[in-house]
Amino acid sequence: NAGVTQTPKFQVLKTGQSMTLQCAQDMNHNSMYWYRQDPGMGLRLIYYSASEGTTDKGEVPNGYNVSRLNKREFSLRLESAAPSQTSVYFCASSSSKAIQYFGAGTRLSVL
Amino acid sequence: DAKTTQPTSMDCAEGRAANLPCNHSTISGNEYVYWYRQIHSQGPQYIIHGLKNNETNEMASLIITEDRKSSTLILPHATLRDTAVYYCIVRVARNAGNMLTFGGGTRLMVKP
Repeated sequence: NAGVTQTPKFQVLKTGQSMTLQCAQDMNHNSMYWYRQDPGMGLRLIYYSASEGTTDKGEVPNGYNVSRLNKREFSLRLESAAPSQTSVYFCASSSSKAIQYFGAGTRLSVL
Repeated sequence: DAKTTQPTSMDCAEGRAANLPCNHSTISGNEYVYWYRQIHSQGPQYIIHGLKNNETNEMASLIITEDRKSSTLILPHATLRDTAVYYCIVRVARNAGNMLTFGGGTRLMVKP
């Protein structure tokens, strides 16, 4: 049982490049989330999708876009990466009990 | 969602119980207390949650005071692998869109 799978695990970008972080869950959860975690800090919500076909902004959405491709997949796109987006990105999904399950994270460096 | 206050760090001897406190004095009647932990470089992991009764599972116990203004997470026999940052989160358990607001958490160091 894979749970929440994120790809890639590591990525280095140059300023201005674009990329998409992929996330997939196999637990049939309705809700999915993208967080970022800067060094020594707690997680901050970027975007979430309460159900298939819907997305909403979180605390720090600027510079990001998301797509809820289907119930399983929720991707995060950086159109023009900036050094301030250097962070660890976590995807999560949740059941109706509000218990979230997290992926292993994507470590992104923007030079 | 109600705000929580946790100590920044705590130490615990291996094999002893680790008691991690959390204050949530502004908690509302329909808000649950959730505990997660994050072991270094990994994604957060759900531990336990409760509304007003004490709860126990295979990982930990959760003690909530009668007025619900504070709670304690208990790891009964801490091991070195329990070294992590522990987050106490208070929120309503909706059917969808259950965002979590992570504060600073408590950095627990389990020592041999």
